[in-house]
Amino acid sequence: DTEVTQTPKHLVMGMTNKKSLKCEQHMGHRAMYWYKQKAKKPPELMFVYSYEKLSINESVPSRFSPECPNSSLLNLHLHALQPEDSALYLCAAAYQGGFEAFFGQGTRLTVV
Amino acid sequence: KNEVEQSPQNLTAQEGEFITINCSYSVGISALHWLQQHPGGGIVSLFMLSSGKKKHGRLIATINIQEKHSSLHITASHPRDSAVYICAVRSSYNTDKLIFGTGTRLQVFP
Repeated sequence: DTEVTQTPKHLVMGMTNKKSLKCEQHMGHRAMYWYKQKAKKPPELMFVYSYEKLSINESVPSRFSPECPNSSLLNLHLHALQPEDSALYLCAAAYQGGFEAFFGQGTRLTVV
Repeated sequence: KNEVEQSPQNLTAQEGEFITINCSYSVGISALHWLQQHPGGGIVSLFMLSSGKKKHGRLIATINIQEKHSSLHITASHPRDSAVYICAVRSSYNTDKLIFGTGTRLQVFP
């Protein structure tokens, strides 16, 4: 069982589609993260939310738009993606920055 | 040069063997994490260390802060241990960021 739940598990979308990835945690953790992982590579940090405010944006293209509507939920809105954006997208949560992070199972995204 | 280096990159073992995976880092850190990733993607946190040694079941993790080095040991390895093991450090100047190593792909054969 994972304490961080990501939906959907798999997503195939066209380059003109708009879709959203969802991440949910009920551990009361105040830091939430989005990572992108390409095959056989380590995860790359995209965004960090701390206390529901965006604290880090690692120069991610604007076709990726994060949203943290409340302390339990983190969304990643996708629009006009490119095939090279196909990857595993991982969400993580931590009590605060600097504490142990708990990862979700990821959403495997394919852009066609 | 990566800030976090792992060795070996790939490792095969027979069931029952003792396994060691090494991690060296070049930045100041507040903590070091060992993570496990199975095929299919999900990442599980195995240990978070800032000093000394931790043990959980057949897994042991050690860290030497002066030498900037950590090791993950698996005793009595089993095929279900087959996974990618990732070392990640939390830098001391930005604790929000995890800096990942490239991972060690372990296969344990029966």
